[in-house]
Amino acid sequence: ETGVTQSPTHLIKTRGQQVTLRCSSQSGHNTVSWYQQALGQGPQFIFQYYREEENGRGNFPPRFSGLQFPNYSSELNVNALELDDSALYLCASSPGTSDVSTDTQYFGPGTRLTVL
Amino acid sequence: GDSVTQMEGPVTLSEEAFLTINCTYTATGYPSLFWYVQYPGEGLQLLLKATKADDKGSNKGFEATYRKETTSFHLEKGSVQVSDSAVYFCALSYSNAGGTSYGKLTFGQGTILTVHP
Repeated sequence: ETGVTQSPTHLIKTRGQQVTLRCSSQSGHNTVSWYQQALGQGPQFIFQYYREEENGRGNFPPRFSGLQFPNYSSELNVNALELDDSALYLCASSPGTSDVSTDTQYFGPGTRLTVL
Repeated sequence: GDSVTQMEGPVTLSEEAFLTINCTYTATGYPSLFWYVQYPGEGLQLLLKATKADDKGSNKGFEATYRKETTSFHLEKGSVQVSDSAVYFCALSYSNAGGTSYGKLTFGQGTILTVHP
């Protein structure tokens, strides 16, 4: 089991609205990454948080923002929703060792966002 | 930039057949390589990984060897089962030379595997 949980499971929004997705990381993990997975595609990296600081960002506009809390849980916020934001949003936690590139990332089940 | 290319799918096999899913990568650093599996309606699960050249990752009968000379990490299994039906993703992650690394995973497009009894 992964121990990573995400909420909500499904969400329907309309264009222009704002949404907040939540993630609880696995016990002992201080690093959280967010990915967007469009239907039939591989996940795309949005950003990563390490000990409450953004530690890397993919090619996503600033309307995608995030937070990490002292307990290492995390939020993904998306403003001004567009139709193309419809996707599965995956959160992954990892232990944040000295070489993070070798860390295994443990994924949650995802939040399915539909933008109408 | 970094990229991962997987063989086109879907792949359909009979139970107990041999499986190969090809994966090649392009990276400017020293990547770690991963195979993740996604069962219907679920998130991704790590299947296996290799963190340096010539390493072999293995799990649940699946194997993949990190081949730096051919920039490949092909997934193999000698005898597939119906329960192996899923989407398989090859991915890489690396540390850059400046030491400001972070574990960004770059994924391939995924290969759908269907195993029939």
